[in-house]
Amino acid sequence: AQKITQTQPGMFVQEKEAVTLDCTYDTSDPSYGLFWYKQPSSGEMIFLIYQGSYDQQNATEGRYSLNFQKARKSANLVISASQLGDSAMYFCAMREGTSGGYQKVTFGTGTKLQVIP
Amino acid sequence: DGGITQSPKYLFRKEGQNVTLSCEQNLNHDAMYWYRQDPGQGLRLIYYSQIVNDFQKGDIAEGYSVSREKKESFPLTVTSAQKNPTAFYLCASSPGPRNSPLHFGNGTRLTVT
Repeated sequence: AQKITQTQPGMFVQEKEAVTLDCTYDTSDPSYGLFWYKQPSSGEMIFLIYQGSYDQQNATEGRYSLNFQKARKSANLVISASQLGDSAMYFCAMREGTSGGYQKVTFGTGTKLQVIP
Repeated sequence: DGGITQSPKYLFRKEGQNVTLSCEQNLNHDAMYWYRQDPGQGLRLIYYSQIVNDFQKGDIAEGYSVSREKKESFPLTVTSAQKNPTAFYLCASSPGPRNSPLHFGNGTRLTVT
């Protein structure tokens, strides 16, 4: 079973509009963390935002916010006021504990976002 | 500047040869990770390590091996047993706390013909 599911292979958004990228997850660890990363065509991985499983409020970082719905196991990324530079691949990731006491970080398959002028 | 260095950026090998990808970090991070990226499949975890001389298999460890003899180094060997080794390989590191993000290197693109 997939630990992290991103169901949108590709998305288009008009410049200056908001866009939501979906992410659902599955874990039995009560203490987990969720991350979003951006990967431009250059290949570098850029950390955007973090949400802990016990955090009461949704995380925000500038134009990025995370819509965390714990009961539904979803952690959608919202980008407000899209810019041309937001065109990139976006990955959702989860850090969870394993039975051996390790911390494993797994990624989804990503969503390719294209911002249209 | 602190960071993660992966070398080389591009690597070409003949089928049947083992090849080692380098990953060095000077961030003093305890945990290190290796991922493989293929188009449409996202990042898949190969191996990870939380302390020196200890590492764990990820989701696609077959055909790969690692070592963690020093805190700052986590080399990945792609062996001849790996059936489809051509891919983009990313190394990452992270300090201990659960809320700390992974810091990534710039990746190595391996092509095996």
